[in-house]
Amino acid sequence: GGIITQTPKFLIGQEGQKLTLKCQQNFNHDTMYWYRQDSGKGLRLIYYSITENDLQKGDLSEGYDASREKKSSFSLTVTSAQKNEMAVFLCASSPGTDSAETLYFGSGTRLTVL
Amino acid sequence: GEQVEQRPPHLSVREGDSAVITCTYTDPNSYYFFWYKQEPGASLQLLMKVFSSTEINEGQGFTVLLNKKDKRLSLNLTAAHPGDSAAYFCAVTGYQNFYFGKGTSLTVIP
Repeated sequence: GGIITQTPKFLIGQEGQKLTLKCQQNFNHDTMYWYRQDSGKGLRLIYYSITENDLQKGDLSEGYDASREKKSSFSLTVTSAQKNEMAVFLCASSPGTDSAETLYFGSGTRLTVL
Repeated sequence: GEQVEQRPPHLSVREGDSAVITCTYTDPNSYYFFWYKQEPGASLQLLMKVFSSTEINEGQGFTVLLNKKDKRLSLNLTAAHPGDSAAYFCAVTGYQNFYFGKGTSLTVIP
């Protein structure tokens, strides 16, 4: 089996700061995703990438940048942290883009903005 | 776009009782359905993936029912035990994007 590793587990930043979250997967999956999980609001898609150097915007991409430097890694940047975006950020991957495919999730990065 | 509503947001049952979580969706073209379980501090783990052609799907200790006419998906945990305490999320997909419910926090009281 494979694993998705997200770093850091906890991230504390100041309002207005630029912050980067990292994700690595060893499944050799083509597609990777970033979701934001707010309490009571479920998961909302920020960005996804179907291959190295590809980026696709999700419903919540404003205020974020992403980078798929290589097949195994996908990073997310909060361009200017705001207090209302304290949440858990989940990285996921899937073998391809077929909607039948299962998403495999990392354990998340919890963001706190002071 | 697709709208997925999951109920209840919180559920507390006694050990040995059943627990039912329901999701309704709006897009009649949705054809893959997922239930994920998230234990505290852990990642989401797939419980079951359901295709639109099958109405009843049984797993270990739970059953997933799909009613396409009513656009309703339910997760029935039979004889819940404390290890079932977690957050549960449904997900619905049609062409590419996954649409998640807001989650149900289940507590099983010993």
